[in-house]
Amino acid sequence: GEEVAQTPKHLVRGEGQKAKLYCAPIKGHSYVFWYQQVLKNEFKFLISFQNENVFDETGMPKERFSAKCLPNSPCSLEIQATKLEDSAVYFCASSLRDRLNEKLFFGSGTQLSVL
Amino acid sequence: QKEVEQNSGPLSVPEGAIASLNCTYSDRGSQSFFWYRQYSGKSPELIMFIYSNGDKEDGRFTAQLNKASQYVSLLIRDSQPSDSATYLCAVTGTASKLTFGTGTRLQVTL
Repeated sequence: GEEVAQTPKHLVRGEGQKAKLYCAPIKGHSYVFWYQQVLKNEFKFLISFQNENVFDETGMPKERFSAKCLPNSPCSLEIQATKLEDSAVYFCASSLRDRLNEKLFFGSGTQLSVL
Repeated sequence: QKEVEQNSGPLSVPEGAIASLNCTYSDRGSQSFFWYRQYSGKSPELIMFIYSNGDKEDGRFTAQLNKASQYVSLLIRDSQPSDSATYLCAVTGTASKLTFGTGTRLQVTL
């Protein structure tokens, strides 16, 4: 597609429940990034992929967060046993292969509310 | 010290004036510098990028980079109410990871 597609737009979970977010990058883009934005402020980097391989996962809280980018499937970000502080907008972005981090194109985000 | 620092604002400028947004970064080996605009409740969109020292102009926008001072700025000429948004500075450091600042909220007043 011509835009980064994120689903769902909104997700409400009770504390302790699982949350799964999806992202389809722009066709032809090899890099996928996940960011967390809390309270419309700082963008926190979570993880990046080069095709289906993890490129950088230094931002991922390892205990409860996991992510995958499998061939012919949307990428996913899964949070096991959600906590209140996981409430945020989760943005996915993609970019071309030519130069890492050049011109990130963002999806519209998934608003996760943990109650 | 944060990796990328911006004044959170709000920065208020009258319509037609020049808005000047500033950003400093800590990684001296940083290579690429980006300005994203984010309207409230929306996703960020790239408006400018700069790789070399000096100025880069695109329409009403000018990005300025000074690697010696570790400083990048965005000037918006003839500011319009539609420019009111949060402007995010993003920097690619030596680890090739894109790091965002917390953003500066710009308000263009009539």
